Amino acid sequence: GENVEQHPSTLSVQEGDSAVIKCTYSDSASNYFPWYKQELGKGPQLIIDIRSNVGEKKDQRIAVTLNKTAKHFSLHITETQPEDSAVYFCAARGSYNFNKFYFGSGTKLNVKP
Amino acid sequence: DADVTQTPRNRITKTGKRIMLECSQTKGHDRMYWYRQDPGLGLRLIYYSFDVKDINKGEISDGYSVSRQAQAKFSLSLESAIPNQTALYFCATSTSNNEQFFGPGTRLTVL
Repeated sequence: GENVEQHPSTLSVQEGDSAVIKCTYSDSASNYFPWYKQELGKGPQLIIDIRSNVGEKKDQRIAVTLNKTAKHFSLHITETQPEDSAVYFCAARGSYNFNKFYFGSGTKLNVKP
Repeated sequence: DADVTQTPRNRITKTGKRIMLECSQTKGHDRMYWYRQDPGLGLRLIYYSFDVKDINKGEISDGYSVSRQAQAKFSLSLESAIPNQTALYFCATSTSNNEQFFGPGTRLTVL
């Protein structure tokens, strides 16, 4: 099956700086890569996703890039704010079963005011 | 998100007890999932269901069973709980384009 690795496990940035979280995947046939934000005491919430037919997608301060050749994708948050502090998970959809998702281990982002 | 609810939110139980975690959704989605979250391991799939008559095992189904009582209800059972099943459990639903919506989670502690 798919194996997704996520780095770093913790990330601390100053408010206004950028944050980058990286994930690698093993199955070259995976074609859908969502990112989730999990706030304390809540379930993960989708913040952005990308499909394998595009290399980059932006939504205001959030962007995701995908490099299919290298099998890695990254989440970029610009102009970070304290409310961006949360745990972020990447995921990849399995190629043999499109209803299975494989998650990274999570990155705890702390934005210091 | 109130569209996907889980009960109970917290549960402490003893080894060997039978436990049921319940999930209900008002999104009208056919696909429902149960995940387990452990520190440093992300989310791992336990079971998933495409509709009432369809149940599929995930990565870590041993020690768990599920029941899809209706389109809106998907329950997870631990027949005989053991301490290494202590974790945070999430139910999720998804659309046909695979966007997933998660419930608030159930924190289960097995003593």
